[in-house]
Amino acid sequence: DAGVIQSPRHEVTEMGQEVTLRCKPISGHDYLFWYRQTMMRGLELLIYFNNNVPIDDSGMPEDRFSAKMPNASFSTLKIQPSEPRDSAVYFCASRASTDTQYFGPGTRLTVL
Amino acid sequence: AQSVAQPEDQVNVAEGNPLTVKCTYSVSGNPYLFWYVQYPNRGLQFLLKYITGDNLVKGSYGFEAEFNKSQTSFHLKKPSALVSDSALYFCAVFGAAGNKLTFGGGTRVLVKP
Repeated sequence: DAGVIQSPRHEVTEMGQEVTLRCKPISGHDYLFWYRQTMMRGLELLIYFNNNVPIDDSGMPEDRFSAKMPNASFSTLKIQPSEPRDSAVYFCASRASTDTQYFGPGTRLTVL
Repeated sequence: AQSVAQPEDQVNVAEGNPLTVKCTYSVSGNPYLFWYVQYPNRGLQFLLKYITGDNLVKGSYGFEAEFNKSQTSFHLKKPSALVSDSALYFCAVFGAAGNKLTFGGGTRVLVKP
């Protein structure tokens, strides 16, 4: 299995631009999670889906952030407009039911 | 509500010495406990888990962890640390009624040659 796949691995953009991060979960996993990691705040859960349905988005920092999961094999996290304080590493993770959760390699976002 | 505490921000140990990373948790019902490791510029990698059964769980890279229900702890251990074990370690938990993992703040391990 290829594991959780994220793209791009690195993204550098200017303030005000739209950013779209992509994730392909492990096949057969019915949960998908988006996290953000910074030195200041550590690892934060932004949103998670179960069977493609958003279950808890209480961690999404602002309306500028949105996430979708149109099918079982693809999810996006969008930031519009982006701000310098959004600079972080964004991780996608997936798991099957109460089994082990696996993380992708992350997308390092830099907003100038 | 569930929570995880990793009381040490950093653990320093000499290569060849035993390594312990502490974790305590709070959760309703039986816990599902996990340890992850994060190397620089990498994602979190699964090390080991406790779901049920033997309290001593063995995982990757020679790590093990002991589940202690009375002390609500799940400390990570390695008998002989390597320099390559230097990384950030996260403990995580969810309860039977929960759907999302709650992570501790992480413990940075530095193994010196």
